[in-house]
Amino acid sequence: SQTIHQWPATLVQPVGSPLSLECTVEGTSNPNLYWYRQAAGRGLQLLFYSVGIGQISSEVPQNLSASRPQDRQFILSSKKLLLSDSGFYLCAWSAKGVFNQPQHFGDGTRLSIL
Amino acid sequence: DQQVKQNSPSLSVQEGRISILNCDYTNSMFDYFLWYKKYPAEGPTFLISISSIKDKNEDGRFTVFLNKSAKHLSLHIVPSQPGDSAVYFCAATHTGANSKLTFGKGITLSVRP
Repeated sequence: SQTIHQWPATLVQPVGSPLSLECTVEGTSNPNLYWYRQAAGRGLQLLFYSVGIGQISSEVPQNLSASRPQDRQFILSSKKLLLSDSGFYLCAWSAKGVFNQPQHFGDGTRLSIL
Repeated sequence: DQQVKQNSPSLSVQEGRISILNCDYTNSMFDYFLWYKKYPAEGPTFLISISSIKDKNEDGRFTVFLNKSAKHLSLHIVPSQPGDSAVYFCAATHTGANSKLTFGKGITLSVRP
């Protein structure tokens, strides 16, 4: 069966520090990968998605970047964190197919910026 | 511009009764709709989906209804159980979007014992 792992589960970082969140998927190959953020009291906002190694699409302009160095690895980064980067970050994967496929989420990273 | 709307932020029902969670959308291109359940400090869990070629999909206690002309869908949970208490997100996508989902803001369901 497929599993998705995100780490760390919680992170407290000072303003201006760098960020690296990692996500890996097991049990499938060539998945679509996604990064979402849930700000307090709001829905899930898609930040980045990737259909393959090295292929990244950004949905919103922001202080973050994403990379996919391997087929089942997706990394969310920042060179200098802002207070507004606080939130709950979720990684998700979906299978590719002719028809739409549901996304499956990791357990998320709670990021607090001080 | 919010393309998926969950206008009620919360819902409270008695155990054993029906829970009806509503969702509206504005983008006519959406053709695949999903419901996710989320507990605090966890990622959302996929519950049930429906394609626009159907108007109903059922899975155990969960049924999703789609009214395309009204751009409205609803999730029915029968009977409701205390373990169903969670935040429920409605999401939508369209063919060719690489399964990118547009989410509503979520509804907090509380099931009273």
